[in-house]
Formats: sequence, C-alpha cells, structure tokens
Amino acid sequence: EAGVAQSPRYKIIEKRQSVAFWCNPISGHATLYWYQQILGQGPKLLIQFQNNGVVDDSQLPKDRFSAERLKGVDSTLKIQPAKLEDSAVYLCASSPSGTTHGYTFGSGTRLTVV
Amino acid sequence: AQSVTQLDSHVSVSEGTPVLLRCNYSSSYSPSLFWYVQHPNKGLQLLLKYTSAATLVKGINGFEAEFKKSETSFHLTKPSAHMSDAAEYFCVRGGYQKVTFGTGTKLQVIP
Repeated sequence: EAGVAQSPRYKIIEKRQSVAFWCNPISGHATLYWYQQILGQGPKLLIQFQNNGVVDDSQLPKDRFSAERLKGVDSTLKIQPAKLEDSAVYLCASSPSGTTHGYTFGSGTRLTVV
Repeated sequence: AQSVTQLDSHVSVSEGTPVLLRCNYSSSYSPSLFWYVQHPNKGLQLLLKYTSAATLVKGINGFEAEFKKSETSFHLTKPSAHMSDAAEYFCVRGGYQKVTFGTGTKLQVIP
C-alpha cells in the first residue's frame, strides 16, 4: 500500500511569515495526526482528526497554528505567523479507526524559521 | 495521569551483544503499546505492537518486546546488536486513549 505522503520535505522561511504543510494519509485510514518534533525531543501531538472532525487539539497553539481535514482525507497544517521556536519537523501519521493497529508516519516536513 | 516512561535516554552496546531498551507505562485501560525506530533524518518506522493478544511480541529486524502487566512494562530487546540498529527508539501508548510518546532512547552500537 502507498504510505503517508507529505510535502514539502523542507521549508525555510523568515519569522512572521506564514507556511502550510500538506498530508495525504493512507487510503481508508480514518484517523490522521499532526506531530511536531523539535530537534532532540520526541514527537508532540498537535492535533488528531477522526474523519473530518477534530478529536484532540489541546496542544495546538491556536493563536498561530490551524489545521483542517476537508472531506476526511487530505489535511493541511498552517502556521501564521511563524516564530523561531516553530523550527521543527512536522510529522503526519494516519491509522485505521481505533488505532490498535499502530500508526504509519510520513517522512515529515523539516521547517527552519530564520 | 496516563504516561509512558523510557527509563534510559542513551544506551550504548557493543556490536553482537544484547540490547535492552526499557519502557514503563501507566494506563487505566488495557493499552495498545508500540515501539518505533527513527534513524537520523528519517521518519518513524513501526517495529512492533502489542494489542492484548500474545504478551511476547515479535517485530522486524529481530526485535521483540514482552508486555508485563504486573510490572507495567514493555521492554524492547534484541539478542545481538547490529551496527544498523543505531537509532532513536520511541515507546508509544495508543489504542483508544490519547497517543503518548516516550521521550526516546538513543541506541549507540560500538564496533
């Protein structure tokens, strides 16, 4: 099966600019996750979707971050405006409903804010 | 609080010797537990998963983990380390609960 697709792979922006990341999960996977992984740390969940509804966004900095999953398939994560501390790898993962099967991760987008 | 604790931030072993990476969890429910590996500048790859079937779980690349409810542990082991095992390993609690990552264990393999 095709994996989780993410784009772009790399992005460099200046602080206060905006940026968007795209994720296409595995076909049929109802649950989609966005994680932020800062260098040297474990991934931190930003938001979890079940189909096109938000299940958990408690750790999403909503003043600057937004995410949507239109039609319950693809998802975009946006940062506006970016700060230096947003430099990280942004990982998308998907799983069948219930998540007992494990999560399949994309390769991530490495964001550098200068 | 529901959590996952990886007891060692760094583990160093010689090539050919056994590997033990420790993970303890807390959960009010029967958890689903996973081990993921992340090689430098690579994505996360699933090594193995426990989902309330057999307590001894075999994964890819010779890794296995044993779920011990009495000890609330899910330690990852491999009989003989290979140079290609050098990476960061994450213990993850999932299932029907909030997904929680451990802080990771960096495995160094010495030739």
